[in-house]
Amino acid sequence: DAGITQSPRYKITETGRQVTLMCHQTWSHSYMFWYRQDLGHGLRLIYYSAAADITDKGEVPDGYVVSRSKTENFPLTLESATRSQTSVYFCASSETGAWNTEAFFGQGTRLTVV
Amino acid sequence: AQSVTQLDSQVPVFEEAPVELRCNYSSSVSVYLFWYVQYPNQGLQLLLKYLSGSTLVKGINGFEAEFNKSQTSFHLRKPSVHISDTAEYFCAVSAIDPTSYDKVIFGPGTSLSVIP
Repeated sequence: DAGITQSPRYKITETGRQVTLMCHQTWSHSYMFWYRQDLGHGLRLIYYSAAADITDKGEVPDGYVVSRSKTENFPLTLESATRSQTSVYFCASSETGAWNTEAFFGQGTRLTVV
Repeated sequence: AQSVTQLDSQVPVFEEAPVELRCNYSSSVSVYLFWYVQYPNQGLQLLLKYLSGSTLVKGINGFEAEFNKSQTSFHLRKPSVHISDTAEYFCAVSAIDPTSYDKVIFGPGTSLSVIP
């Protein structure tokens, strides 16, 4: 199916464990983004990528690692999960990265750290 | 730096009534403005955007928004809401800079509940 898909949709993990959230897009968009959504904060940018092998930090990168070996995939790894990382995570992609073009969002991954 | 304020965290409205969701922003540079909608258990979807030109922007599902530069506002309106409009609505602002894709700021969201 065309579009942007995230997996898993729901995840419960324990404090200190490593967890990876997957994001896959079929449009060959150059830019991909990871956001977290928390009540009262809207969406906050964690990391973004302008192309394969090019990534950069957003507003709240601490505790997260990303990689982008292929254009279509942009996994987000929590190296040692903490309760404060309980959130809903959204992946997005954009053709140009400039925000005069539309960004497309995945359905989100609800992560609970216990 | 930019910031976005959505003063109303929750807006209940009866079906077929009009609604306005408020968005104010601050920025030292010119901006693009957006409204996104998030239906339950789904990702965000673009409703409409203001890039330049006419200050009245029409979007999908009968929504429109008006850019008011003097008041730094971008309020979203719909003349008659439907049950299916129940969702979370996010206002977002971006500096007009092709390299500032890391500087899109989202507001905290407004939860619209349409009452039958």
